[in-house]
Amino acid sequence: NAGVTQTPKFQVLKTGQSMTLQCAQDMNHEYMSWYRQDPGMGLRLIHYSVGAGITDQGEVPNGYNVSRSTTEDFPLRLLSAAPSQTSVYFCASSPISGGSGTEAFFGQGTRLTVV
Amino acid sequence: DQQVKQNSPSLSVQEGRISILNCDYTNSMFDYFLWYKKYPAEGPTFLISISSIKDKNEDGRFTVFLNKSAKHLSLHIVPSQPGDSAVYFCAASHSGAGSYQLTFGKGTKLSVIP
Repeated sequence: NAGVTQTPKFQVLKTGQSMTLQCAQDMNHEYMSWYRQDPGMGLRLIHYSVGAGITDQGEVPNGYNVSRSTTEDFPLRLLSAAPSQTSVYFCASSPISGGSGTEAFFGQGTRLTVV
Repeated sequence: DQQVKQNSPSLSVQEGRISILNCDYTNSMFDYFLWYKKYPAEGPTFLISISSIKDKNEDGRFTVFLNKSAKHLSLHIVPSQPGDSAVYFCAASHSGAGSYQLTFGKGTKLSVIP
């Protein structure tokens, strides 16, 4: 049972380069999201999606794009990398419950360094 | 404005003793609370949760207490073990925003000393 799979695990980019962080889940979850973790800042929501074709911005969306063409995949695209985007990125998925709350399942993370 | 606060960045506890991690929240709409555990170089993993209709939830060595009037929850680990050393994140959600959307605190690094 793979759960949430992120690739790559590590990446070094030069300022101005673009790249896509991949995320795939095999649990048929409707909800997927991207977080970034910075020292002393916890996990901050970048973008999220409640289903194929539907995406929305989170707390820190600037500099990132997302798309959701299938239930399984939710890639995060950095348009023009900046040193401020150096961070650890986590993708998560969860079922959309009827209102009683639900846990999110996280991938292993992608450590990105922008030089 | 941070809606979920973990005011202690770190905590050290002797093996076998109780670990108490605290979390405060400001949004009274939150009705579901979770604790996640994170080891270095790994993704966060779900530990335990509690609904706002309860004031306590227990799972083995882990117990979460919720005090709604104080907007405070705590995670108790008894007895603490060296393998519990990790960063613990408190998270919250509310049904109105979709119960799947989580707001996280900044985390508390727990060190259990053998």
